[in-house]
Amino acid sequence: DTEVTQTPKHLVMGMTNKKSLKCEQHMGHRAMYWYKQKAKKPPELMFVYSYEKLSINESVPSRFSPECPNSSLLNLHLHALQPEDSALYLCASSLSYRGANEKLFFGSGTQLSVL
Amino acid sequence: GIQVEQSPPDLILQEGANSTLRCNFSDSVNNLQWFHQNPWGQLINLFYIPSGTKQNGRLSATTVATERYSLLYISSSQTTDSGVYFCAVPNFGNEKLTFGTGTRLTIIP
Repeated sequence: DTEVTQTPKHLVMGMTNKKSLKCEQHMGHRAMYWYKQKAKKPPELMFVYSYEKLSINESVPSRFSPECPNSSLLNLHLHALQPEDSALYLCASSLSYRGANEKLFFGSGTQLSVL
Repeated sequence: GIQVEQSPPDLILQEGANSTLRCNFSDSVNNLQWFHQNPWGQLINLFYIPSGTKQNGRLSATTVATERYSLLYISSSQTTDSGVYFCAVPNFGNEKLTFGTGTRLTIIP
């Protein structure tokens, strides 16, 4: 199994809603990542988890709350989002976290629209 | 931070044609990755290539770290090759990847 699975594929939410994005991998990888991608732009790193501990938070607003319940699962909890948070949210994993020196495997993303 | 520029920004080709995509980076790096993002958003890792040349089927990549560039070569293009190609290199602290500006490739049947 060489896949990173993300659910849901599409999500529409209002600014007062609470929702969660889910990411799962069964490759035995111990590092997991959340990226945000706006249209026609490259992905931007949000969070990195290494061995289930938060290693990097790229000064992301607190309305985004990551969670890593175990080494195979990564969640992103969303609350009180703004329309400008509409984007493609990508999950990725790597064998371990050696900074940027690991091959990344991405999921297919969740397209989020905030109304 | 490190700057990563890709060229050309857009490329439209007939099916069967060959293409070369370029990635320039502003400082020395110890690895480089090439990704293909298909029209549905999925990012596929094509190559992890610190230096030298690697080949995978119709695709090959060459990184010349001393001259700060990498090339992705696609031969006998197919419509499924359409999408955006990104290169990515570590930032100065090696903490995270910096993605290039991307090349949008469109293959016409």
